[in-house]
Amino acid sequence: EVQLVQSGAEVKKSGESLKISCEGSGYSFATYWIAWVRQMPGRGLEWMGIVYPGDSHTIYRPSFQGHVTISADKSISTAYLQWGTLKASDTAMYYCARLSSGSLADTEYFLHWGQGTLVTVSS
Amino acid sequence: SYELTQPPSVSVSPGQTASITCSGDKLGDKYASWYQQKPGRSPVLVIYQDTKRPSGIPERFSGSNSGNTATLTISGTQAMDEADYYCQAWDRTYYVFGTGTQVTVL
Repeated sequence: EVQLVQSGAEVKKSGESLKISCEGSGYSFATYWIAWVRQMPGRGLEWMGIVYPGDSHTIYRPSFQGHVTISADKSISTAYLQWGTLKASDTAMYYCARLSSGSLADTEYFLHWGQGTLVTVSS
Repeated sequence: SYELTQPPSVSVSPGQTASITCSGDKLGDKYASWYQQKPGRSPVLVIYQDTKRPSGIPERFSGSNSGNTATLTISGTQAMDEADYYCQAWDRTYYVFGTGTQVTVL
């Protein structure tokens, strides 16, 4: 059974750094892209970026580039989302999701999702 | 950047048909997926590649995609279908989600 298990909720202050994780199991972690998706309170889903654990190739949505870092460690089947400097506007639920295959393509979709990590940043 | 637009809300009576649209430039030339999200829960895939249902998704969920519009149809809507629904497509290197539609079963 494919599972994505995310790290627990975080409460931080503006200016602090943070790294949250997403551990995959039940499949070959290195060969499937993992995406991060933001959901701000009461708002919709936003695709932030994606990483291929096999070679750590990463693609960011332009609006998130430079503010977050997406990475993966295939040796421990874990993907990460990190901030160097948090802002209050980073307060949101963050989901990791696995792409349906090892290819970035029009045909792909997100079948498996983590349970979400709630990040709260106070100003 | 590519955008997918959905109506903010759709209301439907139990047993009736709900149709949720997703509009984007030449969306019919791409594949659309649909996700259901209930309060406090992670999204669940209900339709992929325009018309296909993952294992475990009821037959009352169906999809279509043509021109600039993809549509998710829920036939014989049940109270348990009350949720937010998001379309999703791929534009060059990026995956894009729609703005989301809240479905209310009255």
